[in-house]
Amino acid sequence: DAEITQSPRHKITETGRQVTLACHQTWNHNNMFWYRQDLGHGLRLIHYSYGVQDTNKGEVSDGYSVSRSNTEDLPLTLESAASSQTSVYFCASSEVMWRSFGPGTRLTVT
Amino acid sequence: GQNIDQPTEMTATEGAIVQINCTYQTSGFNGLFWYQQHAGEAPTFLSYNVLDGLEEKGRFSSFLSRSKGYSYLLLKELQMKDSASYLCAVTDSNYQLIWGAGTKLIIKP
Repeated sequence: DAEITQSPRHKITETGRQVTLACHQTWNHNNMFWYRQDLGHGLRLIHYSYGVQDTNKGEVSDGYSVSRSNTEDLPLTLESAASSQTSVYFCASSEVMWRSFGPGTRLTVT
Repeated sequence: GQNIDQPTEMTATEGAIVQINCTYQTSGFNGLFWYQQHAGEAPTFLSYNVLDGLEEKGRFSSFLSRSKGYSYLLLKELQMKDSASYLCAVTDSNYQLIWGAGTKLIIKP
């Protein structure tokens, strides 16, 4: 069965370190998204991609970057982790509009 | 600005019916989604409405009124496993999803 996987599922890192969260999908979807989810907020879009070599900034992109070198993967990099980036991160993919989500990565920045 | 409003929390009894409301103000409209999210898990797709009216899918139904900027999710014959957060999301004119903060539904026996 097609799926989206994220790794690691849990991560603790220190302020200032670079962190990369992996997202891999076997749906063969062109569209991929990264969201963060915090208490009291809806899912907030960080970056998204509509295909290989395409990347776009979402509403909360500061301090994050992505790259899309193939259809299956969209890694999310925190250039210099900050405590404000402690959150749960979800990767999603879609072909049309509805999103299929990965299991999430819980990131703690100390 | 763009805004999606849902109640923060609701409580209902097992076997009963509950209606979760969602109002929205967005730049354009290309459909409304409802997702279910159990604690510690990923959101999962429940329903999609793009035209006015009621869409029924088993115990769950979703209603849309585009003129009122309003939707509701109706859950019938509540089960303990329905305890979860329910997320409303609207697709705007740029086909971006705008998410509400979610409604936490607590089911009591």
